[in-house]
Amino acid sequence: EDQVTQSPEALRLQEGESSSLNCSYTVSGLRGLFWYRQDPGKGPEFLFTLYSAGEEKEKERLKATLTKKESFLHITAPKPEDSATYLCAVQATGGTSYGKLTFGQGTILTVHP
Amino acid sequence: NAGVTQTPKFQVLKTGQSMTLQCAQDMNHEYMSWYRQDPGMGLRLIHYSVGAGITDQGEVPNGYNVSRSTTEDFPLRLLSAAPSQTSVYFCASSNYGGTEAFFGQGTRLTVV
Repeated sequence: EDQVTQSPEALRLQEGESSSLNCSYTVSGLRGLFWYRQDPGKGPEFLFTLYSAGEEKEKERLKATLTKKESFLHITAPKPEDSATYLCAVQATGGTSYGKLTFGQGTILTVHP
Repeated sequence: NAGVTQTPKFQVLKTGQSMTLQCAQDMNHEYMSWYRQDPGMGLRLIHYSVGAGITDQGEVPNGYNVSRSTTEDFPLRLLSAAPSQTSVYFCASSNYGGTEAFFGQGTRLTVV
């Protein structure tokens, strides 16, 4: 059974204080690992997809990395507008797995000015 | 381009009532799915579809029914609502490559 565990559950940062969110996963065969951002009352918004160990992707102050067992979302010099819940999900290999994502419980990030 | 549209946004049901949550996408995506989100539980897959006429169960399918007669629409039916189905429901769609899933804005359902 595919499993995703995110840590910490909640993270409070001061504006400009860099940090990382962790996503540990177990999956029979990894097709892709996804990061989403979710604002209160909204649906998840796509950030990144990582496919293989060693891969990195960046978007503004966010950088996602992937190893064979975990992924990190690094936040550099965060701003209050980066406050949100960050979700990690995995997609397994297999023909019918394209529509199926297994999510972690999320990390609630709060950035104080 | 509306993306994924869910209706209604909010709904209150009495125990035992039935209802249908609507989901429509205008991106011609093959894959569509329904998730529920509960505090501390993350999003859990209810049902999904890999194309018109093809559906399958996810992690928590009991009490829900789906069908997919067109590429655009993927309604979720609650057969007999129970308080345990109080949750926020999200519909998502993705293309054949599945490189990202687009989510709707959610339906907040309360069963009393």
